[in-house]
Amino acid sequence: DSGVTQTPKHLITATGQRVTLRCSPRSGDLSVYWYQQSLDQGLQFLIQYYNGEERAKGNILERFSAQQFPDLHSELNLSSLELGDSALYFCASSPTSGRALETQYFGPGTRLLVL
Amino acid sequence: QQPVQSPQAVILREGEDAVINCSSSKALYSVHWYRQKHGEAPVFLMILLKGGEQKGHDKISASFNEKKQQSSLYLTASQLSYSGTYFCGTAAYSGAGSYQLTFGKGTKLSVIP
Repeated sequence: DSGVTQTPKHLITATGQRVTLRCSPRSGDLSVYWYQQSLDQGLQFLIQYYNGEERAKGNILERFSAQQFPDLHSELNLSSLELGDSALYFCASSPTSGRALETQYFGPGTRLLVL
Repeated sequence: QQPVQSPQAVILREGEDAVINCSSSKALYSVHWYRQKHGEAPVFLMILLKGGEQKGHDKISASFNEKKQQSSLYLTASQLSYSGTYFCGTAAYSGAGSYQLTFGKGTKLSVIP
C-alpha cells in the first residue's frame, strides 16, 4: 500500500458525459501527478500540481482539467467523454515539487470505461 | 521524448537472468524503475543518478550509463514473483527546480516454472 488513495475504483459512463476522479496523496506529500494508461500502453503524463498550483503539463486534452485543493487532494475532471478515453487513470504523489531523485508513489488507479 | 525500452517482452524460466534496457535521446538526470502487475499500480523499484548503481531489491540491480543516456535493469535468478511489466521513467529538467518523468512503453516479463 503506497498511501495514495483514489476513488472510485471503477467508473462506467456514456459518451458525452462528464466524470470526476479523486486522489488523496500520501501524508506530507505536496505534489500530485495524473497519468493515463491505455491498453498495452505506457504511462502518459497528464498534469502535475504542487501545493495547489499547476506545475507541469503533459499530453492533457482540453476536455480534461484538474485542480488541487487546500487539503492537497486533487481531482481530475474529464468531460465530453469519448470511447478512446477508456483507460486506467493513476495519480501519484511525491514530497516536493519533483526533484530528479524524488520517488513518485502511485495510487491503485481508477478504471474508466466509456460506452 | 519517450524513452525506448527493449525488449518489449521476454519469457524466462525460474532461475534465469534477464536484462531490460532503457534509452533516451535527451540528457537525463536520473532514471526511475517501476514494476506493474496486471491491473495494479506501478510499484517503485529504484532510482539511479548519472553513473550511479543502486540495488533496490534483492537480486534486482541497475546501472546508468550517462554517456549513452541508457539504463539497464538486471534481474538475477528470476522468481515467479518477478513477472509483470517493467517501466523506466527518465527525469529531465522542466524548469523552476522541477524534473518531469517520462515513462517508456514497458517491458513485459513472464517467469514460468
